[in-house]
Amino acid sequence: DSGVTQTPKHLITATGQRVTLRCSPRSGDLSVYWYQQSLDQGLQFLIQYYNGEERAKGNILERFSAQQFPDLHSELNLSSLELGDSALYFCASSVAPPTGQATDTQYFGPGTRLTVL
Amino acid sequence: QKEVEQDPGPLSVPEGAIVSLNCTYSNSAFQYFMWYRQYSRKGPELLMYTYSSGNKEDGRFTAQVDKSSKYISLFIRDSQPSDSATYLCAMSAVRNTGNQFYFGTGTSLTVIP
Repeated sequence: DSGVTQTPKHLITATGQRVTLRCSPRSGDLSVYWYQQSLDQGLQFLIQYYNGEERAKGNILERFSAQQFPDLHSELNLSSLELGDSALYFCASSVAPPTGQATDTQYFGPGTRLTVL
Repeated sequence: QKEVEQDPGPLSVPEGAIVSLNCTYSNSAFQYFMWYRQYSRKGPELLMYTYSSGNKEDGRFTAQVDKSSKYISLFIRDSQPSDSATYLCAMSAVRNTGNQFYFGTGTSLTVIP
């Protein structure tokens, strides 16, 4: 158990709908990362938040947004869902060093499996 | 061209074999190299973490980085059925805007008893 929790474990919805995925980082970790994992694309970095602020952005679609709250939990919002958005969505957390310094270890949650029908 | 390339396998070996897993990359700014293990329906877990070039050993696992060739490897000695999983390489560069991690697509490994 990594100490990172994600809810829900499974989500089934229809095209055009909007869903929210939730992540609670490990105790003491200030940074949260979101990833999308599909069979053909592998693990794709979406976005990173550090202590409530966006720090790095990857291949995140405009239909997707995220935020990190004062209690450090994070939510990933996916809207106008398409069939191709079906994937595993992982959250990872880390202590995260100050900007521009050494990278650190990410601990992954169990993931949310999203199925868009 | 993808930032990180990894042969997806699948790779099937007998118990006790030495396993070699590899990734290549194109971005010379990468300085941190990681290997994650992912069991089916679970999140990735960190196995090894190395900085810059060289070798690092941890039990049956050895990670190698050759920055001149932009090539990293993970060796598993005396492989066990419990090593059956997907292995993901990951890399990052330190940036003023934060650390973005790039993952390979993963190599599926099965160790046969």
